[in-house]
Amino acid sequence: GAVVSQHPSWVICKSGTSVKIECRSLDFQATTMFWYRQFPKQSLMLMATSNEGSKATYEQGVEKDKFLINHASLTLSTLTVTSAHPEDSSFYICSARDPDNYNEQFFGPGTRLTVL
Amino acid sequence: GENVEQHPSTLSVQEGDSTVIKCTYSDSASNYFPWYKQELGKRPQLIIDIRSNVGEKKDQRIAVTLNKTAKHFSLHITETQPEDSAVYFCAASRGGGATNKLIFGTGTLLAVQP
Repeated sequence: GAVVSQHPSWVICKSGTSVKIECRSLDFQATTMFWYRQFPKQSLMLMATSNEGSKATYEQGVEKDKFLINHASLTLSTLTVTSAHPEDSSFYICSARDPDNYNEQFFGPGTRLTVL
Repeated sequence: GENVEQHPSTLSVQEGDSTVIKCTYSDSASNYFPWYKQELGKRPQLIIDIRSNVGEKKDQRIAVTLNKTAKHFSLHITETQPEDSAVYFCAASRGGGATNKLIFGTGTLLAVQP
């Protein structure tokens, strides 16, 4: 099946710094990728839809200046958490739709962000 | 806005038992309903899905049923095994289009006791 990777798998940073997370579709081209946030023992909350070559579509309540999304190619989307604070600590997961696989969503392994 | 409710939040069964997890959706335009299994600290994995043109789909020990009139769908697991222990999420979407987003349920923690 289609494979989606994420890097890094975990990161610890100081409050006020910015952190970039990469999401790659390894064996297919994805015009659309999605970014989710998951708190412990909770569901996946969609943050934004990342569209190749255009601006991301953010869900209500998600600050676009705080969570910068760039989808510069058909295989790469990045999420940058700017000026991170402890409340941004979470598990961030991306997914990508495979157009050759009934547009099924394949998930990355996630990135554990801890802000001190 | 769109909403998916999932019940129960936790489930504990004995190995070999059958179990059911239920979801209700609010968006009547939804027509694609996947189920995901997520083990601790890992990515969600699609285990089965159903589209609105069918009422039931089965894959070995798991099955999904859909009632479009009532706007609810259920995951059925038979002959449960310890390796079935995980969190299960239902989701709903307006079809498999490239930009159609998934709305997830709140999850069910299933524990299968050996």
